[in-house]
Amino acid sequence: AQTVTQSQPEMSVQEAETVTLSCTYDTSESDYYLFWYKQPPSRQMILVIRQEAYKQQNATENRFSVNFQKAAKSFSLKISDSQLGDAAMYFCAYRSAETSYDKVIFGPGTSLSVIP
Amino acid sequence: NAGVMQNPRHLVRRRGQEARLRCSPMKGHSHVYWYRQLPEEGLKFMVYLQKENIIDESGMPKERFSAEFPKEGPSILRIQQVVRGDSAAYFCASSPIRDGALDEQFFGPGTRLTVL
Repeated sequence: AQTVTQSQPEMSVQEAETVTLSCTYDTSESDYYLFWYKQPPSRQMILVIRQEAYKQQNATENRFSVNFQKAAKSFSLKISDSQLGDAAMYFCAYRSAETSYDKVIFGPGTSLSVIP
Repeated sequence: NAGVMQNPRHLVRRRGQEARLRCSPMKGHSHVYWYRQLPEEGLKFMVYLQKENIIDESGMPKERFSAEFPKEGPSILRIQQVVRGDSAAYFCASSPIRDGALDEQFFGPGTRLTVL
């Protein structure tokens, strides 16, 4: 069974600085997707960034980028120029691309605080 | 195109009552997933449904929980004889089929169930 681990329950960053959130996962599959979701106090799940495992190039979305290390099964999220609105819970997630359907498996989350 | 809609957003029940949570997927989506988020935890998969079919209910508790997705109308997650441990946020997600495969899941705003 696939698992997702986030070893940092809480992180903080100074406004305008850069922070990296860690994520590791375990799977025997070769084709899958990885995601970072943001959950602000409103509890809405917001997709931040997505990575296809077959792509070697790391995904980027404006101030958000990932460091995808397939062999190490590592998928970290880097937030540059942090803003107050980035404060939220961040969940790393995995989804198989090999099955005919695919549930998303979430990590336990990292709570990010942004210090003005 | 309206997003995934869930209602009610907040639901309060006393122990022993029934809770009914509704999810209307995005237009054109015929695949629905339910997830549960206990306090201070990540989302956990409960059940995956297509119209009129339960495809995977491996994450559903064996008793008191049921789900349906009828041909017409929203998907319903039903919890009978609720207990305090059922207090959680329940998220619904839907996905379309693109190029013959299931694509990204879009999440609703969640229903927060509180059992007194």
